[in-house]
Amino acid sequence: GNSVTQMEGPVTLSEEAFLTINCTYTATGYPSLFWYVQYPGEGLQLLLKATKADDKGSNKGFEATYRKETTSFHLEKGSVQVSDSAVYFCALSVRSYGQNFVFGPGTRLSVLP
Amino acid sequence: SQTIHQWPATLVQPVGSPLSLECTVEGTSNPNLYWYRQAAGRGLQLLFYSVGIGQISSEVPQNLSASRPQDRQFILSSKKLLLSDSGFYLCAWGRLAGGFTGELFFGEGSRLTVL
Repeated sequence: GNSVTQMEGPVTLSEEAFLTINCTYTATGYPSLFWYVQYPGEGLQLLLKATKADDKGSNKGFEATYRKETTSFHLEKGSVQVSDSAVYFCALSVRSYGQNFVFGPGTRLSVLP
Repeated sequence: SQTIHQWPATLVQPVGSPLSLECTVEGTSNPNLYWYRQAAGRGLQLLFYSVGIGQISSEVPQNLSASRPQDRQFILSSKKLLLSDSGFYLCAWGRLAGGFTGELFFGEGSRLTVL
């Protein structure tokens, strides 16, 4: 079956530190990959996406590269801000009846000033 | 552009009372629709999804039900709430046609507390 594994955290960093949140996946077929962000008390927002191998998704200083050989989609940011504190979800989508969409467990990030 | 709205945003209900959460999508047609639940500090649990009017698939047997009376309307219901139904409920839509690449778009969420 399809699954997503990511570090659950919590992750605590100081402002301007480098961020990596690891994500690996298992999928039948050729998935699209996503990172979503959830700020406190809100719904999920799409942060970035990649639809084929070696694609790099980027947004708001975050980036992730679709690595088919390692089945990974790690999220990185060179310099985090306090406003980046949120929960980050890695996810995949496989074209099928009902659009099979699988989320990882989420990683809570806290950035301290 | 497409938008999704769900309501109410917050509700407190006694055990045994009924529930109705509503979600509507604007600016697209024939979307796939989803209801997720998020327990406090936990990940997302898919409850129901729908690929068309009147077509509902249940992922987890439970105290809840869903209906899709119109193309862009998705309703989550319960006849009698349990304490374990407390959580943050999220509606979402997605498409694989018309230039969309399979991502889901989420509503603002509805926080339910059952006392």
